[in-house]
Amino acid sequence: DTGVSQNPRHKITKRGQNVTFRCDPISEHNRLYWYRQTLGQGPEFLTYFQNEAQLEKSRLLSDRFSAERPKGSFSTLEIQRTEQGDSAMYLCASSLGVTDTVVGELFFGEGSRLTVL
Amino acid sequence: AQSVTQLGSHVSVSEGALVLLRCNYSSSVPPYLFWYVQYPNQGLQLLLKYTTGATLVKGINGFEAEFKKSETSFHLTKPSAHMSDAAEYFCAVREEEYGNKLVFGAGTILRVKS
Repeated sequence: DTGVSQNPRHKITKRGQNVTFRCDPISEHNRLYWYRQTLGQGPEFLTYFQNEAQLEKSRLLSDRFSAERPKGSFSTLEIQRTEQGDSAMYLCASSLGVTDTVVGELFFGEGSRLTVL
Repeated sequence: AQSVTQLGSHVSVSEGALVLLRCNYSSSVPPYLFWYVQYPNQGLQLLLKYTTGATLVKGINGFEAEFKKSETSFHLTKPSAHMSDAAEYFCAVREEEYGNKLVFGAGTILRVKS
């Protein structure tokens, strides 16, 4: 399968613990996005990478959240000191960016569902 | 900043009936508009998109949408609903800032009755 892969698919943790999610994009895609989706809402943008550079972060991304894409391939999203309000589906998407304005379709992974008890 | 409003968080139709899911957007520039579908516990799949050109856009699974600039709308339709169409549908607009970031509506859950 050559689509966007996310793991783990499900994570249950206790409040205060740290969690890390991994996203493997489609191999030739240079752009990678993280979104958060809560029940009854559409996906909300968190952050975006072009290759290894993190180019934009949403105000939703508090200082407990950190994302990396060290070699411009896979990406990790870490949440430190989790809170119950962090419970959500975390979606990763990738696309091929040709230029700043000519970009390809976003392909989404199946998401990582976080439950904080 | 762009925003998207989807009218109706839940829509119920009978199998074989017309599907109409409404989407209105706000954008200060010509928008790029998208419809995605999400099945339970799965990621989002692109149904169709409008970038430029023809305002009636055809997508997968028999869906189509029409871009109406004067109404700032991009409603999704399908002539005849199938049970397999039951899912959540999201309308999205591309942010004018670079990066192809999408801004999504809150979603509409489509129920298809037999």
